[in-house]
Amino acid sequence: DAGVTQSPTHLIKTRGQQVTLRCSPKSGHDTVSWYQQALGQGPQFIFQYYEEEERQRGNFPDRFSGHQFPNYSSELNVNALLLGDSALYLCASSLGLDAGEQFFGPGTRLTVL
Amino acid sequence: KNQVEQSPQSLIILEGKNCTLQCNYTVSPFSNLRWYKQDTGRGPVSLTIMTFSENTKSNGRYTATLDADTKQSSLHITASQLSDSASYICVVSASPGAGSYQLTFGKGTKLSVIP
Repeated sequence: DAGVTQSPTHLIKTRGQQVTLRCSPKSGHDTVSWYQQALGQGPQFIFQYYEEEERQRGNFPDRFSGHQFPNYSSELNVNALLLGDSALYLCASSLGLDAGEQFFGPGTRLTVL
Repeated sequence: KNQVEQSPQSLIILEGKNCTLQCNYTVSPFSNLRWYKQDTGRGPVSLTIMTFSENTKSNGRYTATLDADTKQSSLHITASQLSDSASYICVVSASPGAGSYQLTFGKGTKLSVIP
C-alpha cells in the first residue's frame, strides 16, 4: 500500500522564479491538502483539493496556486518566488471532506536564494 | 481566532525516562485532536486522534489524554528511546460546517532523548 509521495525531495530556486511541486495521495484517498512549514514552526495550511477543485484556502497570496488531476494527484505552483518562501512543503491526503485522519508525505524542501 | 499552544518548546530527557508534553487549545467548534511525531526534515506521522468523547488513547508507549472542559491535552511517553527524538505536534480540528474542517497546528515540542 503506497503512502503519500512527493517530488522532488529538494529544490533550489532563485528569487522571481516559478516552482511546481507534486504529490500523489495514499491509495484510496481522494483529498489533498498542502502545507508550508518554516524551520522551527508548525505547518501552515495553504489549500485543499477535492474533486479537482480548491475547497478551502489558508492565508496565502495568489502566487500560490494548485491543481488536482483526475487520478487525485496534485500540484502546488508558486510564482515570483521570495526568500520567505523557503520552507518544507508538505502534502497530506485523506478521504473525503470530513475531519478524518490525514497522512503526510515526506515533504519537499524548497530553498530560495 | 483558533490557537494551539504547546509546552515546553523543547525538552531533553535521559533514555528510559518518561515525559509529558502539553497542548492547550482555543478551537471552536471542536471536532478532534491529533498528536503527530515529526522527525527532522520529514513529514508528520500520526500517533493518536481523539474526539470529544474520548479521554485517553494509547499507541504503544504513547498515551494521549484529552480534557475537553479545560481544552487541554497531554502526550505521555513511557520508557523513552533514542528514536523518540523528534518534534511532537498537537493539531486540533474544527468543523465549522458540513463537509468542511479546519486544522490548527501547534508549533511543536522538540524532544531530545540522550543516552
